[in-house]
Amino acid sequence: AQKITQTQPGMFVQEKEAVTLDCTYDTSDPSYGLFWYKQPSSGEMIFLIYQGSYDQQNATEGRYSLNFQKARKSANLVISASQLGDSAMYFCAMREGLNSGYSTLTFGKGTMLLVSP
Amino acid sequence: EAGVAQSPRYKIIEKRQSVAFWCNPISGHATLYWYQQILGQGPKLLIQFQNNGVVDDSQLPKDRFSAERLKGVDSTLKIQPAKLEDSAVYLCASSLKTRTGNTEAFFGQGTRLTVV
Repeated sequence: AQKITQTQPGMFVQEKEAVTLDCTYDTSDPSYGLFWYKQPSSGEMIFLIYQGSYDQQNATEGRYSLNFQKARKSANLVISASQLGDSAMYFCAMREGLNSGYSTLTFGKGTMLLVSP
Repeated sequence: EAGVAQSPRYKIIEKRQSVAFWCNPISGHATLYWYQQILGQGPKLLIQFQNNGVVDDSQLPKDRFSAERLKGVDSTLKIQPAKLEDSAVYLCASSLKTRTGNTEAFFGQGTRLTVV
């Protein structure tokens, strides 16, 4: 079974609008972390935001927020006030086994976001 | 703070040849990862080191891929012999081991391998 599912291959949004990128995950581990990364066309992976499974509040980092719904096992990324520079691939990732001494980091297939003027 | 360094940035080889990639993680990061990213897909973990020990290599094609991390710092990933389907970007990442688990992974710029 897929551990991370991103169902949107591509998303389009107009500049200054908000956009939500979907991510669902599958784990039986009670202690895990969820990450979002951005990968521009240049190829580097840029860390955006993190949510721990025990965190009570949704994570926010500037224009990025994570809509964490634990019961539904979803961790959607919300980008407010989109900018042209936000055009990139976005990956959701999960780290399981935070209490096991080591933990793996698994990525979804990604969503391509295109921001138009 | 210096980031994760990888070399070379680009490599073109013929099938059945061998190739090696090098990675220098961020200083003090105990965990090092090698990922394979095929065009249009998400990164797939090949191998994960904790210091100089392997903690996960379940998706490493061990008949042709090998990796080592001597002294728990630099790492090399080797492919021998290469196949056409090995064409991909090879990403190295590192993270800091903390009491509650690892921090986010920091990535290098990757090595783009083309096998012809």
